[in-house]
Amino acid sequence: EAGVAQSPRYKIIEKRQSVAFWCNPISGHATLYWYQQILGQGPKLLIQFQNNGVVDDSQLPKDRFSAERLKGVDSTLKIQPAKLEDSAVYLCASSLSFQGSYNEQFFGPGTRLTVL
Amino acid sequence: EDKVVQSPLSLVVHEGDTVTLNCSYEVTNFRSLLWYKQEKKAPTFLFMLTSSGIEKKSGRLSSILDKKELSSILNITATQTGDSAIYLCAVEKAGANNLFFGTGTRLTVIP
Repeated sequence: EAGVAQSPRYKIIEKRQSVAFWCNPISGHATLYWYQQILGQGPKLLIQFQNNGVVDDSQLPKDRFSAERLKGVDSTLKIQPAKLEDSAVYLCASSLSFQGSYNEQFFGPGTRLTVL
Repeated sequence: EDKVVQSPLSLVVHEGDTVTLNCSYEVTNFRSLLWYKQEKKAPTFLFMLTSSGIEKKSGRLSSILDKKELSSILNITATQTGDSAIYLCAVEKAGANNLFFGTGTRLTVIP
């Protein structure tokens, strides 16, 4: 079974530039998550999708971050404009469904973003 | 405010040692506690705990939840260099199926 795919794996940009990350979840997984992991911290949920609808985006800095999952499969996360404090690893995860009992989340390899 | 605290933040041991990692939490509507191992980038699932006092075991790793003390421990016996990683504790809140992570414990096992 193919895992969660993410690209690019690494990205270096200057502050005030924009950047986009792509995630393709495991086939059949309805729920998709984007996490931000700053060095030395645990992952922090940015946004959770169920199919193409947003379930939770309470911690997404909406003035600069946006995310979409238009067809309920792959997703993009965009930052515009980037700030120095956005330097982090951006992890995408997917699970079968969020309803009912916990469904294991499978994580992708992440994208390491460096903002100079 | 929800909080998940892990200790120690980092630990260096020799191969063969036994280690105990701690996780304490303060969250509303607790549902379950999960442990993940993170090598390089992607966290991988280890255990999910929902009931107090029931140990979960997988090889040399085991974990138990204490709902009265709002805490959990992860034990690793006979450590190997391949156990070197960051161990993350996360809490799932009822009705959410998303995870609130602690900062992790970085374990280094030296030969």
